[in-house]
Amino acid sequence: SQQGEEDPQALSIQEGENATMNCSYKTSINNLQWYRQNSGRGLVHLILIRSNEREKHSGRLRVTLDTSKKSSSLLITASRAADTASYFCAVSGGGADGLTFGKGTHLIIQP
Amino acid sequence: NAGVTQTPKFQVLKTGQSMTLQCAQDMNHNSMYWYRQDPGMGLRLIYYSASEGTTDKGEVPNGYNVSRLNKREFSLRLESAAPSQTSVYFCASRQGYRQPQHFGDGTRLSIL
Repeated sequence: SQQGEEDPQALSIQEGENATMNCSYKTSINNLQWYRQNSGRGLVHLILIRSNEREKHSGRLRVTLDTSKKSSSLLITASRAADTASYFCAVSGGGADGLTFGKGTHLIIQP
Repeated sequence: NAGVTQTPKFQVLKTGQSMTLQCAQDMNHNSMYWYRQDPGMGLRLIYYSASEGTTDKGEVPNGYNVSRLNKREFSLRLESAAPSQTSVYFCASRQGYRQPQHFGDGTRLSIL
């Protein structure tokens, strides 16, 4: 299995602080993706990083990928209450089959 | 701008009943997917359709069947529902194999 595993399982921080979540996976990948899920809703794509990329930015999001360690991290800077959600990493081998998801990190931003 | 639409949003079934979950996308995507999400878990792939006219099994296909009705629609059928199939079901689509997936809001299914 290429399963991604997030760490920590839950994270609670104060508004304005930075939040870092980590993801590890088992086999070679074509790309790694991060998704956000608000309570009771579907997943929303945040960022995709390809296996030949090391870092990618999108607004307040920064993702790193270390293929030698089979790990990735998602950094959310200057957190806001609206960032409260579950965050999932998902890995893709690049084929037609679907993504393999981790169990997620539940992030709570305290006002 | 609907994206991926799933129906119904909620459903309660009795053990042994059958039902079909519907999914439609309006983004002209080639590939479509069905996942299930259980409490405290990530999503697990049930079935997928790489393109119109093809379907393949994912990680947890037992107890399910699918139909890719046309490019827009991909349905998931439970022939004889079991309590272990109580879950939230998500449909997703994507244009290419290396593109992100777009998800519907899910169908919450309870089997008593």
